Amino acid sequence: RKEVEQDPGPFNVPEGATVAFNCTYSNSASQSFFWYRQDCRKEPKLLMSVYSSGNEDGRFTAQLNRASQYISLLIRDSKLSDSATYLCVVNSGYSTLTFGKGTMLLVSP
Amino acid sequence: DTAVSQTPKYLVTQMGNDKSIKCEQNLGHDTMYWYKQDSKKFLKIMFSYNNKELIINETVPNRFSPKSPDKAHLNLHINSLELGDSAVYFCASSQSTGISTYSNQPQHFGDGTRLSIL
Repeated sequence: RKEVEQDPGPFNVPEGATVAFNCTYSNSASQSFFWYRQDCRKEPKLLMSVYSSGNEDGRFTAQLNRASQYISLLIRDSKLSDSATYLCVVNSGYSTLTFGKGTMLLVSP
Repeated sequence: DTAVSQTPKYLVTQMGNDKSIKCEQNLGHDTMYWYKQDSKKFLKIMFSYNNKELIINETVPNRFSPKSPDKAHLNLHINSLELGDSAVYFCASSQSTGISTYSNQPQHFGDGTRLSIL
């Protein structure tokens, strides 16, 4: 089983749609979780950390289920500028981040 | 001001050559990293340094040798370049939290060095 697995994508959605990404991780001892965003030919950038109680940042909501080792990201009211690859990231110890392969989102007018 | 800067941005060279990529961060972080992102877009850790000390060395060929002259710099030297080394190499930095090995501090990435081997 891969350490961090994500929906394969790409997800094609119209502007204004709500889209959800899922992610599972294999290391049950993992403590820190993040969603990063990577635009085409750019570096990954932190979108948001994921907290146990769930957290929201504007149109973005992240959820964590430790029992199921599952992380999700919900994007409401999609914008064209949300088109990117979304990377699920888990801290595997000693500040090592393990990245999922990413899910590409394409938002169309 | 650029937080994590890498040079060069593009590197095109022939098989067998030796090349270096430089990285500098002005965020005051104490931990720096090198990642490789291959053609399948999979981002994988190569090395991690904390206060100039190597703390992570994944299964990377010993043709790759990182060097950290101080905690703000982490350079990557690659000997005898091979076709399979073609990738985007990202430098990153973060602030360690000291006690816990499971840091909740995010990493800040440079904008990558695109290495192409002819």
